[in-house]
Formats: sequence, C-alpha cells, structure tokens
Amino acid sequence: GENVEQHPSTLSVQEGDSAVIKCTYSDSASNYFPWYKQELGKRPQLIIDIRSNVGEKKDQRIAVTLNKTAKHFSLHITETQPEDSAVYFCASEDQAGTALIFGKGTTLSVSS
Amino acid sequence: EAQVTQNPRYLITVTGKKLTVTCSQNMNHEYMSWYRQDPGLGLRQIYYSMNVEVTDKGDVPEGYKVSRKEKRNFPLILESPSPNQTSLYFCASSLGGGPYEQYFGPGTRLTVT
Repeated sequence: GENVEQHPSTLSVQEGDSAVIKCTYSDSASNYFPWYKQELGKRPQLIIDIRSNVGEKKDQRIAVTLNKTAKHFSLHITETQPEDSAVYFCASEDQAGTALIFGKGTTLSVSS
Repeated sequence: EAQVTQNPRYLITVTGKKLTVTCSQNMNHEYMSWYRQDPGLGLRQIYYSMNVEVTDKGDVPEGYKVSRKEKRNFPLILESPSPNQTSLYFCASSLGGGPYEQYFGPGTRLTVT
C-alpha cells in the first residue's frame, strides 16, 4: 500500500545548529507534501508545504526540498531554537487525492 | 474564530460501553476526518468524509463508526470499545482531501479499561 517513511525518529541538536528530517514516499502520482509540527500536548499544525511543480520552498528559518525523481522530500530548519522542539510529521497526498498519508514522526529536541 | 472543536477532551471508560466523540468545525469545510495517534505509529486515518452523507474508510476503520448528517459535525462512535482503542484521537477538517491544509482539533485522550 501507499507509504511514507520518515527519518530519523529522534533528533537532538544544539541551539543554533541546523536540523534535517527526510521522508520518502511510494506513490509517484503524489503532488502535495506538507509538514506538520506538534508541540507537546498540542494539536498538529501545518508549518510548510510544497507542491510538485517546485523543487524548494522557504519560509524564514524553515525550508522544504522535493526530489520527485527519487520520491523524497526534506525539511530543513536553520538556526534552531528551543521552541523548535516538537514532533514533526511529513505527509503526502494519497493516490486518489482523498487523504494525506503521514510519516511516523520525528521528535526534535533543541538544547540550549 | 475559525476552529475545530472536540468533546470530550479526556475520557476514561470500560470495555463495551458505547461512546461518542463529537467534532465540529465552523469553517464551512467540506472535508472532515478522524485520526488516531499512537506512540511510534504517527497519525493514522480512521474515517473521512468528503461531504454531507458521504463517508469512507481510512487506514484503520475497524471498531469505529462515523456519520455526517450536517456539514459542520462529524462524530466518531465506538459502539463496543476495547483496550486496543486506547489512544489520542484528532478530528480534522479542510477544504478537500489530499492537497489541502488539515486543521486539527485539540484532541481527545481516550482510555479503555
């Protein structure tokens, strides 16, 4: 079935370092790839997304890159801060375009 | 304020006692869905609805029912809860299914003993 693999499952960095989370997807027809951030005890919220007609998208300290040929996309966070500590989920649109398939999540810890 | 609400936020119940978790959105979204979140398994979709009276199974529908009688409401029903349904449940709504931002509710922590 359709699948999204996300790595690593946990990531610890020092404040100011960069963090990279990678995802691969199985359905070559997918065209939409969002990233959600879930702070402890809170709901997931969209932080950035990318569609298949672009290769990279930036929003201040976060960026997402997409390689459709290899079927993978990545989240890049630069100059990490303690408030970036959270669980991050990647997702891709399913083949039918009726749902999102989520990765299992990456717990990012930023220590000061 | 645009929002998705869920009730109750916390629920402890016993095996076999029917329960309903309500979900409501005020954004006039056509698409609504339910997810469960378990440690190490991420967010898994239970059911979704593309519009009023249109519902379909997600990845893990066993043991759950839903209904969509009104656009704003999408209740999740557990007719005979079992301990393996102990989880954190999120309702979400969006303009559409795949390629649209999902707006999540605050979550319902369910424990079945």
